[in-house]
Amino acid sequence: DAKTTQPPSMDCAEGRAANLPCNHSTISGNEYVYWYRQIHSQGPQYIIHGLKNNETNEMASLIITEDRKSSTLILPHATLRDTAVYYCIVLTGTASKLTFGTGTRLQVTL
Amino acid sequence: DAGVIQSPRHEVTEMGQEVTLRCKPISGHNSLFWYRQTMMRGLELLIYFNNNVPIDDSGMPEDRFSAKMPNASFSTLKIQPSEPRDSAVYFCASSLEVAGNTIYFGEGSWLTVV
Repeated sequence: DAKTTQPPSMDCAEGRAANLPCNHSTISGNEYVYWYRQIHSQGPQYIIHGLKNNETNEMASLIITEDRKSSTLILPHATLRDTAVYYCIVLTGTASKLTFGTGTRLQVTL
Repeated sequence: DAGVIQSPRHEVTEMGQEVTLRCKPISGHNSLFWYRQTMMRGLELLIYFNNNVPIDDSGMPEDRFSAKMPNASFSTLKIQPSEPRDSAVYFCASSLEVAGNTIYFGEGSWLTVV
């Protein structure tokens, strides 16, 4: 599975959009991009995933570049409860081997 | 709709004692995962079952650790004997094994070995 690179930390003001980048330059055609987050003391929470097209759900939007070498997770209106570590993971086929890196620590502030 | 259920949520035990962590996956899911999280090593996959059969146990740290899945609705992770370095949060997760699937995690079992 392709490796990913994420900034270690980011800040975002409450109510603003949080844009979390992820580089996956070695991604192959059949690999999905998954995003999870972990709020302190809780289990990892699935956010969204995609293969080629942009995706949106009730939590977030996922924008994948045309060459698929990078993606951005967008939380449209960040709240304090969105403070968490966000993990970008690239996987082939089934999510059998989710391998978590160090992620991006998002701090949402007043 | 119940998610992945783990027990106990917290356990404190003495070194040398046996520890058993339990997991009930989401109904209908056919894959189950045990992860461990520590400050030093982050989230690590310990073992992965598919249709109750262990598929990949390469992450199991040593023979003191064992995991079983006697049926589709129950799994255990056992540590015998436990050591202080086993102190961690242990997460169970489950999924339906199809392309582009989603893995759902439980809230974890916080283990402290003193």
